[in-house]
Amino acid sequence: LAKTTQPISMDSYEGQEVNITCSHNNIATNDYITWYQQFPSQGPRFIIQGYKTKVTNEVASLFIPADRKSSTLSLPRVSLSDTAVYYCLVGDPSSGTYKYIFGTGTRLKVLA
Amino acid sequence: DGGITQSPKYLFRKEGQNVTLSCEQNLNHDAMYWYRQDPGQGLRLIYYSQIVNDFQKGDIAEGYSVSREKKESFPLTVTSAQKNPTAFYLCASSRLDSYQPQHFGDGTRLSIL
Repeated sequence: LAKTTQPISMDSYEGQEVNITCSHNNIATNDYITWYQQFPSQGPRFIIQGYKTKVTNEVASLFIPADRKSSTLSLPRVSLSDTAVYYCLVGDPSSGTYKYIFGTGTRLKVLA
Repeated sequence: DGGITQSPKYLFRKEGQNVTLSCEQNLNHDAMYWYRQDPGQGLRLIYYSQIVNDFQKGDIAEGYSVSREKKESFPLTVTSAQKNPTAFYLCASSRLDSYQPQHFGDGTRLSIL
């Protein structure tokens, strides 16, 4: 089974850029990498998704190296409201395209 | 407004009882999923379904059952065989294209009385 690894927790201060890295050694050729944000007692919310190189939207950037064995979520100028758990999601190559495995999640705490 | 609706938000169960959690989506998605989340932990896949009348076990299917009689509905039954059912349950759906993200409901919190 594909496994993903993320740091368990990170602290940052308001206004700083935060980078969270996810390792996924067994990612499938056709699978995309997706990041989610989760607040307590809520369902995860989609942040960004990419296949390779760099993707940017209004809230984050995603950097994926050529070998696709890892990815880095970059949150520019974080605020207190960015305090949440962030999950990296990739397809499971051993069970077909549609069974996804979540990473362990990174608990980001933004300090004033 | 398109989305995923989970009900109820809170559910209590007596030991030995089966309970069913509802999940409905109006996104016209083919695939639907059930996850379990324990306090401070990540999400673990219970069951998923790619098409009506078909579903597959995830990593922790023991003590759970599902049905997929309609495209928009994917109810989860927590049976009495599930010895530790207290958790936060999340339903998700997605299109079948591999690059499409999953959309999540707001969850049901199940507790044992």
